[in-house]
Amino acid sequence: DTGVSQDPRHKITKRGQNVTFRCDPISEHNRLYWYRQTLGQGPEFLTYFQNEAQLEKSRLLSDRFSAERPKGSFSTLEIQRTEQGDSAMYLCASSSSDRATNEKLFFGSGTQLSVL
Amino acid sequence: DQQVKQNSPSLSVQEGRISILNCDYTNSMFDYFLWYKKYPAEGPTFLISISSIKDKNEDGRFTVFLNKSAKHLSLHIVPSQPGDSAVYFCAASEGFGNEKLTFGTGTRLTIIP
Repeated sequence: DTGVSQDPRHKITKRGQNVTFRCDPISEHNRLYWYRQTLGQGPEFLTYFQNEAQLEKSRLLSDRFSAERPKGSFSTLEIQRTEQGDSAMYLCASSSSDRATNEKLFFGSGTQLSVL
Repeated sequence: DQQVKQNSPSLSVQEGRISILNCDYTNSMFDYFLWYKKYPAEGPTFLISISSIKDKNEDGRFTVFLNKSAKHLSLHIVPSQPGDSAVYFCAASEGFGNEKLTFGTGTRLTIIP
């Protein structure tokens, strides 16, 4: 299966701890996105990369959040000093910048974060 | 502020009948619209899209209609099948290329056998 892979699927942590999530995009995709979805809401855009460059960050992404995509392949999303309000599903997606084929995002199954 | 609105949290439709899911938007800069379907414990999957230069796009059992003057779009599924039971999200972006999608809150569609 060559879909978008996210790890871990679930993460339970205590308030104040740091957590890191990983996303492996579809190999031929050069764009990678992070979204966050809370209960009863649709996914909300957090940030996106084209290759290794982080091109846009949402104002939702506070200073406690940092995303990286070294070498333009996999990406990590780190949350420092987690708060209960960070509890959500964190979704990763990838796409191609080729205008002939970049019509849609391919999402992973997400990482469900619970902050106690 | 909710720029993309799906006012019906849930919808139940008899198998074989037409399902109509609605979506309204407020941002006049949106010109590309998509529908995603989500099953439990999975990420959203792309269903169909439409550019603002069109008012209709069809793909098999799925048709999306866009009314720009009313800032309204709808997804028609006909005939509805049990496998269509899922949460459907409407999404919009300012331009083809989908760097940043704005999603609605979703409509849970249940197809009754």
